[in-house]
Amino acid sequence: AQSVTQLGSHVSVSEGALVLLRCNYSSSVPPYLFWYVQYPNQGLQLLLKYTTGATLVKGINGFEAEFKKSETSFHLTKPSAHMSDAAEYFCASVFGNEKLTFGTGTRLTIIP
Amino acid sequence: DTGVSQDPRHKITKRGQNVTFRCDPISEHNRLYWYRQTLGQGPEFLTYFQNEAQLEKSRLLSDRFSAERPKGSFSTLEIQRTEQGDSAMYLCASSIQSSYNEQFFGPGTRLTVL
Repeated sequence: AQSVTQLGSHVSVSEGALVLLRCNYSSSVPPYLFWYVQYPNQGLQLLLKYTTGATLVKGINGFEAEFKKSETSFHLTKPSAHMSDAAEYFCASVFGNEKLTFGTGTRLTIIP
Repeated sequence: DTGVSQDPRHKITKRGQNVTFRCDPISEHNRLYWYRQTLGQGPEFLTYFQNEAQLEKSRLLSDRFSAERPKGSFSTLEIQRTEQGDSAMYLCASSIQSSYNEQFFGPGTRLTVL
């Protein structure tokens, strides 16, 4: 079955440090990939997406992600963490059908 | 651009009662999706509409759940005879039909079944 796996349900980084959130997909055909952020008691906001073309995609709030087909990965990074980045992050994919398949999420904590 | 709206934002009900949630998508979006999110999990697909047609339903959508989008605009999700296991955040999303299907989410309705 096609799936999305997020390694690490909780990640803590110091303010100003690199943020790295991991996402791997399982599919015989490269899917379309998304990262969403969710703040407490709110819906999901799209950070960035990969569809076709350039494999390094830039999103909002200084985040970027790189699609690596050979590694079936789509890891999310940000060079310097800010306190406002504390939230839950979800990797998701559309595997050629209509619905999003989500990972289980990574809760990012920023240490002052 | 008002975004996707959902009503109510919170609902507390007693087991066995019926509840109905409403979702208003972005006006030009012809696709509308319902997802359910339980604590500590990612959202799980429930069903989706293209215009007024319900095109897919998840196995998660038991017979107690029904969704409608009668005029291809807003949608309702009804849960009959609620159970404690129905407690979750119910998320609505909308999109324009496209090759990659970028979905825009509403704030969600948090249901608590006592």
